[in-house]
Amino acid sequence: GDSVTQMEGPVTLSEEAFLTINCTYTATGYPSLFWYVQYPGEGLQLLLKATKADDKGSNKGFEATYRKETTSFHLEKGSVQVSDSAVYFCAQLRGSNYKLTFGKGTLLTVNP
Amino acid sequence: KAGVTQTPRYLIKTRGQQVTLSCSPISGHRSVSWYQQTPGQGLQFLFEYFSETQRNKGNFPGRFSGRQFSNSRSEMNVSTLELGDSALYLCASSLQGGPSGANVLTFGAGSRLTVL
Repeated sequence: GDSVTQMEGPVTLSEEAFLTINCTYTATGYPSLFWYVQYPGEGLQLLLKATKADDKGSNKGFEATYRKETTSFHLEKGSVQVSDSAVYFCAQLRGSNYKLTFGKGTLLTVNP
Repeated sequence: KAGVTQTPRYLIKTRGQQVTLSCSPISGHRSVSWYQQTPGQGLQFLFEYFSETQRNKGNFPGRFSGRQFSNSRSEMNVSTLELGDSALYLCASSLQGGPSGANVLTFGAGSRLTVL
């Protein structure tokens, strides 16, 4: 079945460090891919998305490229801020099953 | 434009009771989905509704049910509560749901259920 695997956390970085959170998916066909972010005590917010191979999603300095050959959608940011501290979820939406399949989430803590 | 509104935000129940959670989608959104979030299992899909019809259901027991009204508002119900039902229940809405990535899900803040 469909699944999403993302790197285990927690990830702790200093402010202005480079961030990578790995994400790979298994699915038939061509799913749409998403990164969501969850701040403490809140619901999920869409961070970025890509709907087809080689698409690059970007928002607030974060980027991820849909790589079909490696079935990956790694999240990157060149310079993290303390305010980026949150849990990040990779997800896929495939075909006509009307549901998002999420990874387990990666807790990011950025220290000043 | 108002976001997805979930009520109540917090609630405490005891084993064996039942609970009803409510979700008001963004105006114009006709698809509503429900997800359960727990530390152990992460985010798991419960069900999705569109125009009052359930189009997909996750792998949960029959104690979990839902419905959608003609104004697209949705409710989910959990009967005979168990300790393991303690979770954050998230509702999400989108224009139509479905396979297109253009139908982005917007999530509410969730209803946190504690079962004692």
